[in-house]
Amino acid sequence: GQQLNQSPQSMFIQEGEDVSMNCTSSSIFNTWLWYKQDPGEGPVLLIALYKAGELTSNGRLTAQFGITRKDSFLNISASIPSDVGIYFCAGQNYGGSQGNLIFGKGTKLSVKP
Amino acid sequence: NAGVTQTPKFQVLKTGQSMTLQCAQDMNHEYMSWYRQDPGMGLRLIHYSVGAGITDQGEVPNGYNVSRSTTEDFPLRLLSAAPSQTSVYFCASVSKPGNLYGYTFGSGTRLTVV
Repeated sequence: GQQLNQSPQSMFIQEGEDVSMNCTSSSIFNTWLWYKQDPGEGPVLLIALYKAGELTSNGRLTAQFGITRKDSFLNISASIPSDVGIYFCAGQNYGGSQGNLIFGKGTKLSVKP
Repeated sequence: NAGVTQTPKFQVLKTGQSMTLQCAQDMNHEYMSWYRQDPGMGLRLIHYSVGAGITDQGEVPNGYNVSRSTTEDFPLRLLSAAPSQTSVYFCASVSKPGNLYGYTFGSGTRLTVV
């Protein structure tokens, strides 16, 4: 089946630093998404990308949908302690009533104050 | 409060026991799904449903059964628990899969099988 390769697996950074993580796929997706998961909670959607080449921002977060439709990256600028958590990329091919999400394995972010 | 409610939050089972993980949503969402999350593996789809009376298998369905008799509820059944089913289970719902910002995840059920 479809698989997403997310990197890095973990990051340990200083507060104020910028963060970059990416996701690649062996196959095409129509939509790319980035989620954040806090401890003990379910994932929460940060950004959804609908078009190849699209660059979208949400506050300090910026994400891009790769032109080949097989990759995406997420950047976090000026990290703060509350950015700590696990970030997941997900892909979706939506058609009819189908549209299951395929998740990457996650990037665990730790921020040192 | 509107949202996805999962019960129980924690459960310990002995190998061979059966149990049902409950998932309920009050948003009239047609689409519901179950994922399991294992360390370093991300979320993997177990089963999903596009509406009452309709269910289908996801990526890792073996050992799990589901049913969807109402729009609101989507229980996940483990007929004979195995240690390999130790995981955190998440239920999610959305009105339609294309409504990406409408996807809502429950807060999870942490299951340990000993």
